[in-house]
Amino acid sequence: EADIYQTPRYLVIGTGKKITLECSQTMGHDKMYWYQQDPGMELHLIHYSYGVNSTEKGDLSSESTVSRIRTEHFPLTLESARPSHTSQYLCASSEGTGGNTGELFFGEGSRLTVL
Amino acid sequence: AQTVTQSQPEMSVQEAETVTLSCTYDTSENNYYLFWYKQPPSRQMILVIRQEAYKQQNATENRFSVNFQKAAKSFSLKISDSQLGDTAMYFCAFMRNNAGNMLTFGGGTRLMVKP
Repeated sequence: EADIYQTPRYLVIGTGKKITLECSQTMGHDKMYWYQQDPGMELHLIHYSYGVNSTEKGDLSSESTVSRIRTEHFPLTLESARPSHTSQYLCASSEGTGGNTGELFFGEGSRLTVL
Repeated sequence: AQTVTQSQPEMSVQEAETVTLSCTYDTSENNYYLFWYKQPPSRQMILVIRQEAYKQQNATENRFSVNFQKAAKSFSLKISDSQLGDTAMYFCAFMRNNAGNMLTFGGGTRLMVKP
C-alpha cells in the first residue's frame, strides 16, 4: 500500500459551503497531483505541483484551488461548492528528480457530493 | 495533444481464464511510455505494467502482459489465469518522454472476474 492519504473519504455538503480536501504523503515525493474522476470513471488532471510553492492548473479547468506549503501536504479547496462539483477527487504523488517513470502513487480518493 | 482510447467500457471473464483489454492512442511523438493502471473497488489505483516505446519486447509482469504494436498505436493488456482480485477498473495511460510523470489516461475498462 502506498503512503498517501486522503481525507475525508466521503463528504456530503450543501451548495455554497467551503470545503477542503486533504492529501498527505510520507514518501518525500516532490510531485503531487489532483485528478477529478467523473461518474463515467474518466480521469482528468485538475492541478499539479512540482514542489513547495509550485502549483499549476491541469488539463481540465476547475474552480478549485490548491496550495503546497509543505512537501508532504497538497490540499484542494472549493470556496463555494456547487452540485456540478460532485465527483471523486484522487490525489497522487510521484518522485521528483529523475522521476520519469510514470509511476504515480494514488490515495484512496475523496468522494464529494454537493446537494 | 495525445489521446488514449479504451473501446471496451465493460468486460467480464471467468476465473482462471484469459482476458484481453484494448487500448489505442494517438500521438506524433516517437519516444514515450505506456502504462496500465488498476483501480480496485474503493481501493487505491496502482501501476500494473509499463512499456517503453523504444523497446520492441513486450513487457510482462507475472500474469499480466502487453501486446504493444507501435505502428498501429495499439497497447492491449492480457491477464492470464484471471483471479477474483483482478476485478477492477483498468486504465491505459500515455506519457511523453521527459514529461515529468504527466500522464494522459483513457476512459477505463471495468473488468469483472466471475467465479
